[in-house]
Amino acid sequence: GQQVMQIPQYQHVQEGEDFTTYCNSSTTLSNIQWYKQRPGGHPVFLIQLVKSGEVKKQKRLTFQFGEAKKNSSLHITATQTTDVGTYFCAGYSGTYKYIFGTGTRLKVLA
Amino acid sequence: DTGVSQDPRHKITKRGQNVTFRCDPISEHNRLYWYRQTLGQGPEFLTYFQNEAQLEKSRLLSDRFSAERPKGSFSTLEIQRTEQGDSAMYLCASSPFGGLAGDTQYFGPGTRLTVL
Repeated sequence: GQQVMQIPQYQHVQEGEDFTTYCNSSTTLSNIQWYKQRPGGHPVFLIQLVKSGEVKKQKRLTFQFGEAKKNSSLHITATQTTDVGTYFCAGYSGTYKYIFGTGTRLKVLA
Repeated sequence: DTGVSQDPRHKITKRGQNVTFRCDPISEHNRLYWYRQTLGQGPEFLTYFQNEAQLEKSRLLSDRFSAERPKGSFSTLEIQRTEQGDSAMYLCASSPFGGLAGDTQYFGPGTRLTVL
């Protein structure tokens, strides 16, 4: 079945450093979503990418969807302590369900 | 917009007992999802409703799990004859149908199940 993998599993950065997480799907996706989950919280929607090669920015966050629509990335510039949490991608391949990735847990050291 | 609510927030039960969870989606959201999340893992898809119709169910879900969404509003997830492996956070998410909001999923706070 469809699988979505994320790397790295964990990332510790100093505040101010950049951070990137990568998401890879075993199948071509119709769209991909990104979520952030704070410790003890529930996933919160960040963005949805639909088009091949699409790049979207939200302040310090940059999201990219691969040309083949099988991979995606999230890049955070100049991390802050408020960026702490686990970042999940969720891929949709048109069967009414989203497959979430394994997540990347980000720790930001002040 | 009061957000997605779930009840109860915590449930402790003994192995073999049945449990039922409730999810109240954001009003007028047509789509409703149930997920299960264990520590250190991403949410695992369980089932999907569009209005009252259950359109997709994970093949990983045993016959002990059943979900309903009568009248296309709130939804319930029942687990029969619980096992220790069922211990997890059960998340509900709702989504508006179509439009610019697309498939944005709004998650509830979850129900944490502990099976002793």
